Amino acid sequence: DQQVKQNSPSLSVQEGRISILNCDYTNSMFDYFLWYKKYPAEGPTFLISISSIKDKNEDGRFTVFLNKSAKHLSLHIVPSQPGDSAVYFCAASADFNKFYFGSGTKLNVKP
Amino acid sequence: GAGVSQSPSNKVTEKGKDVELRCDPISGHTALYWYRQSLGQGLEFLIYFQGNSAPDKSGLPSDRFSAERTGGSVSTLTIQRTQQEDSAVYLCASSVGADRTDTQYFGPGTRLTVL
Repeated sequence: DQQVKQNSPSLSVQEGRISILNCDYTNSMFDYFLWYKKYPAEGPTFLISISSIKDKNEDGRFTVFLNKSAKHLSLHIVPSQPGDSAVYFCAASADFNKFYFGSGTKLNVKP
Repeated sequence: GAGVSQSPSNKVTEKGKDVELRCDPISGHTALYWYRQSLGQGLEFLIYFQGNSAPDKSGLPSDRFSAERTGGSVSTLTIQRTQQEDSAVYLCASSVGADRTDTQYFGPGTRLTVL
């Protein structure tokens, strides 16, 4: 039973435009959420996180939005750059040491 | 400084053989995680080590899987009597402490193929 879902396996965006990656979860006990970015042949790298006490967190070009009532998380990248092309994973945690990951969305930013 | 390293980077084995995968965490990191990523799936939590505490093994899929962490540093994930469904990328991550908000740093993974 997949508790974290990324329903879009891929997304293509023009350079300079906004990229919106979406993530849905089913477990209402999740209270800490993260996004990771992964390049081929490398491990995921941490991008941004949000606690359930907030509904928005920003870090430069990256903003994560949390809608607890909809159990929905999104990552906005503005403006998108070709170097942002990667696979993006969302992850969630209810316990202090166990994280559940989505299956990833492959973002392609076209020059 | 050096990041998390994993070896081997690729491993091809025959069904029924045992395999050992190694993880060298970042020096000084007390927390260590193992995950696996099967084709088209997200990362699946396997096991978590924190300092000298008993590990959280709740994600191990069967008793063919085991892991140990020696001296609070290097970790080995062992899969006995491998099956074709064990084929996946096995990822290791470490973090500085037990707080779940501590950033996990991932290694590049070991791609395991069971023929």
